[in-house]
Amino acid sequence: NAGVTQTPKFQVLKTGQSMTLQCAQDMNHEYMSWYRQDPGMGLRLIHYSVGAGITDQGEVPNGYNVSRSTTEDFPLRLLSAAPSQTSVYFCASSYLGGPTYGYTFGSGTRLTVV
Amino acid sequence: GENVEQHPSTLSVQEGDSAVIKCTYSDSASNYFPWYKQELGKRPQLIIDIRSNVGEKKDQRIAVTLNKTAKHFSLHITETQPEDSAVYFCAASPNFGNEKLTFGTGTRLTIIP
Repeated sequence: NAGVTQTPKFQVLKTGQSMTLQCAQDMNHEYMSWYRQDPGMGLRLIHYSVGAGITDQGEVPNGYNVSRSTTEDFPLRLLSAAPSQTSVYFCASSYLGGPTYGYTFGSGTRLTVV
Repeated sequence: GENVEQHPSTLSVQEGDSAVIKCTYSDSASNYFPWYKQELGKRPQLIIDIRSNVGEKKDQRIAVTLNKTAKHFSLHITETQPEDSAVYFCAASPNFGNEKLTFGTGTRLTIIP
């Protein structure tokens, strides 16, 4: 039982490049989400999914795409990287309706856009 | 959407004393309020949560209180220890779970030995 696995752990991109952050969970959680963490701003929701084939926007979705083709995987795509997307990205998953509600977070991806 | 404000942003407490972190939320429909602890360089971890049909919940040295009328909730840590040093985040959601969970900006708690 690996929990939530995020790859890569570190990434440096040039402005305008695209890339995909991978997230996979093996706990059969219905709910998956992506957050970005910036100093002094807490964790801000980018996109989330309540199940395979269903995604929705969070608070800061611009510049990011997601898809959920399986229960296990929820990749985050940066379409054209900008310096403002320099951040630490966390994927998180949980059950939707219980028995427990706590998020399981991945270990994070530290992204730098130059 | 929901807006969660958290205070203070930094807090230093003598070891053995109590620490209190306060949060307010804007959406009266919010009904799930978790607290997460994030140690330096690590991922956030749930330490306690409360639902809107409960006014207070306690787990050993940690307690959370909720005032729905005033739309605020607080984290109380008693008998603080050095390992309590971390950043703490409050959060609120309208769905009795994590759907559209909105986080506060965090409180850096330092325990002074």
